[in-house]
Amino acid sequence: SAVISQKPSRDICQRGTSLTIQCQVDSQVTMMFWYRQQPGQSLTLIATANQGSEATYESGFVIDKFPISRPNLTFSTLTVSNMSPEDSSIYLCSVGRDGTYEQYFGPGTRLTVT
Amino acid sequence: GQQVMQIPQYQHVQEGEDFTTYCNSSTTLSNIQWYKKRPGGHPVFLIQLVKSGEVKKQKRLTFQFGEAKKNSSLHITATQTTDVGTYFCAGAGGTSYGKLTFGQGTILTVHP
Repeated sequence: SAVISQKPSRDICQRGTSLTIQCQVDSQVTMMFWYRQQPGQSLTLIATANQGSEATYESGFVIDKFPISRPNLTFSTLTVSNMSPEDSSIYLCSVGRDGTYEQYFGPGTRLTVT
Repeated sequence: GQQVMQIPQYQHVQEGEDFTTYCNSSTTLSNIQWYKKRPGGHPVFLIQLVKSGEVKKQKRLTFQFGEAKKNSSLHITATQTTDVGTYFCAGAGGTSYGKLTFGQGTILTVHP
């Protein structure tokens, strides 16, 4: 399985600011995903980020709020823009194992918005 | 859209007791996966089930996929304190390849 790192591991931010989360993989992968896990909730898919194409956003998530970059096959970023306390959550990136639906998750970024 | 429901939300057991969590999808799935998240950790892939009626075992863990490919279960025999964590099922079968829909998860607490 791939080794995935995320930066930062946690952050406390003021409302109205933006935070960019980085996801680095130790091998080339086609499919990367960004999830949000709000307190007491399950994992909710924000978007799918495939290299060479625009990210595909799930219902309820928009590019202006959660812009995503995928410059190459080992790296992606998710920006949480114009944050509010409701954005406080754990944000996770995952990578898909090619040819399967198996996903491998990064350690997550715990975001608190005050 | 596809919905995956998982019950129970919480389960407290004494060490040595068995544990089962159930997963139901609103639509037929192409496959279902199970993940475990330890407290403070991130979800870790456990297993994937693909075939109708499939049963797979990993030591004390038994995973089943329903005949209609709309439900699944995870059963742990004789729980140990190391089994503590949140168990998620995740269904695949929508139009987007690779996309998973996660259940709410079952938080398992094992009392020694």
